Amino acid sequence: LAKTTQPISMDSYEGQEVNITCSHNNIATNDYITWYQQFPSQGPRFIIQGYKTKVTNEVASLFIPADRKSSTLSLPRVSLSDTAVYYCLVDRPGSGGYNKLIFGAGTRLAVHP
Amino acid sequence: GAVVSQHPSRVICKSGTSVKIECRSLDFQATTMFWYRQFPKQSLMLMATSNEGSKATYEQGVEKDKFLINHASLTLSTLTVTSAHPEDSSFYICSARAQGGAELNYGYTFGSGTRLTVV
Repeated sequence: LAKTTQPISMDSYEGQEVNITCSHNNIATNDYITWYQQFPSQGPRFIIQGYKTKVTNEVASLFIPADRKSSTLSLPRVSLSDTAVYYCLVDRPGSGGYNKLIFGAGTRLAVHP
Repeated sequence: GAVVSQHPSRVICKSGTSVKIECRSLDFQATTMFWYRQFPKQSLMLMATSNEGSKATYEQGVEKDKFLINHASLTLSTLTVTSAHPEDSSFYICSARAQGGAELNYGYTFGSGTRLTVV
């Protein structure tokens, strides 16, 4: 599966919108883009997954351009509790539960009062 | 939604002893589970793929004799750290994905992790 690259860290303030961009230049046709959130001393938690264009759920939006070589996770109106590490991964859900998820360094988001 | 339960959440053991960590899929069956370890301020590193009814597949550099994995049923995988040493102290996390249906759209579910401290 394709490797991903994302900023190591970001800072924001409460109430702001945060956009984290991830590049995945070698993404394959069957691959999806998936984002996870991890708090200290907890396992990662699934946030959102998409294939192309835009996906939105109650937590975030995911924007994927036509060439799919990058994606942007958008967190609306962040709060202090959104301080966490965010991982962008390429996943192949069509393969069932058999494909490995390889984590990159992630983006450490710090939300300030 | 899919739930993965991991136990214990933290364990302290003496150097040279063995520790077993359990990972259970509570509301789905998982023929494959994954084990990760994570050091402070670092990302998750995949250790091995646990396969129900067969041998685990280890990532390069992971000692299979030290990290024993058993996946005896469709809902339980165990990781045993044998002859633990202080350098094995880490955060161990398991994951699995529910098969079929809408769950395919919800990525992998991770356990809450096990903090192992070897003294």
